[in-house]
Amino acid sequence: DAKTTQPNSMESNEEEPVHLPCNHSTISGTDYIHWYRQLPSQGPEYVIHGLTSNVNNRMASLAIAEDRKSSTLILHRATLRDAAVYYCILRGGSNYKLTFGKGTLLTVNP
Amino acid sequence: DGGITQSPKYLFRKEGQNVTLSCEQNLNHDAMYWYRQDPGQGLRLIYYSQIVNDFQKGDIAEGYSVSREKKESFPLTVTSAQKNPTAFYLCASSITGSRETQYFGPGTRLLVL
Repeated sequence: DAKTTQPNSMESNEEEPVHLPCNHSTISGTDYIHWYRQLPSQGPEYVIHGLTSNVNNRMASLAIAEDRKSSTLILHRATLRDAAVYYCILRGGSNYKLTFGKGTLLTVNP
Repeated sequence: DGGITQSPKYLFRKEGQNVTLSCEQNLNHDAMYWYRQDPGQGLRLIYYSQIVNDFQKGDIAEGYSVSREKKESFPLTVTSAQKNPTAFYLCASSITGSRETQYFGPGTRLLVL
């Protein structure tokens, strides 16, 4: 599986935008970029995914670099409920499993 | 409401005992998965099933067993052969097996007495 690299932790203030980076320099042409998040003592929750173009949904935006070797998850206005571990995952072909790394622990300050 | 339920929320296992974790989904998904999460770590795949009456080993299947007799149910048994079972166990499902979004249950925390 292609590997992703994320910062161990990030901090933000409430109501401010948050940009969570992910590097995936060995991504293949058919790999989709998925983001999940996990709140404390809960199961992971799907956030967003994309292939080449930037994507928006009600939770977040995903900005994908032109060479696809990196991507950024954007939370437009962080709330205290966004405090979680965010995972960037590559999925390609018939890949049935999600390979979770350690993710980025996001702390949101009131 | 559609979703995935796991029970119990907490489970205690004695030495040498087999325990079974329940996972039920009413999303009409074909594929189901079991993951294990240790403190501060990501998830690791134990077993997965892409269709009823069929399942495959994941990365850490030793000491675990599963069955898939019904589409909506995928129970996981932690056997006495699993020497370090203390972990957070997560069940997930997806419409089909490949590249689809996976939806997770709330998890079961297993502790050894």
